[in-house]
Amino acid sequence: GAVVSQHPSRVICKSGTSVKIECRSLDFQATTMFWYRQFPKQSLMLMATSNEGSKATYEQGVEKDKFLINHASLTLSTLTVTSAHPEDSSFYICSAHGLAASYEQYFGPGTRLTVT
Amino acid sequence: AQKVTQAQTEISVVEKEDVTLDCVYETRDTTYYLFWYKQPPSGELVFLIRRNSFDEQNEISGRYSWNFQKSTSSFNFTITASQVVDSAVYFCALIVGNQFYFGTGTSLTVIP
Repeated sequence: GAVVSQHPSRVICKSGTSVKIECRSLDFQATTMFWYRQFPKQSLMLMATSNEGSKATYEQGVEKDKFLINHASLTLSTLTVTSAHPEDSSFYICSAHGLAASYEQYFGPGTRLTVT
Repeated sequence: AQKVTQAQTEISVVEKEDVTLDCVYETRDTTYYLFWYKQPPSGELVFLIRRNSFDEQNEISGRYSWNFQKSTSSFNFTITASQVVDSAVYFCALIVGNQFYFGTGTSLTVIP
């Protein structure tokens, strides 16, 4: 299957700083990328959907000014957690959807964010 | 609205026992896909199987088998002769359009 990478895999930052997480589709063009958040022992919750070249669509309850998403190219989407706080500590997972069938989505390995 | 229910939050079995993880889904769409993923402690989602709504044929892959029943909107997953390496959280998921709907997951612990 296709490969999606995320960088960094783990990050620890201080409260008040901003953190950028990258999601890359390595061997296909991702027209749509999805960002999920997963708290310990919970399911994946969709945060936002981003289409290349347009503004992301955020799920209800997700602050778009806090979680900035940029999908500037067909292989890269970034999630920036601005002014991070300890409650933002979580596991963030992206998935990428190409031009093929709707079920052809591939998940990245995730980024574990810890805000101290 | 779409929904996936995994009623079993945690299951513990002794090694070599068989275990079935339940998944019930809800959707009014006639075209959809069902998935099972394994999430080990590392966090990365490991794809196990995909089924489309028009294919009710059950599938076996080694020690894994899946039972898809549209009549009961269920897509259950059985691990035969469980092993310690099977310990993980397992998610059932539904795709409608291009959006995933995940169940809450079942944490499986296989005791040696």
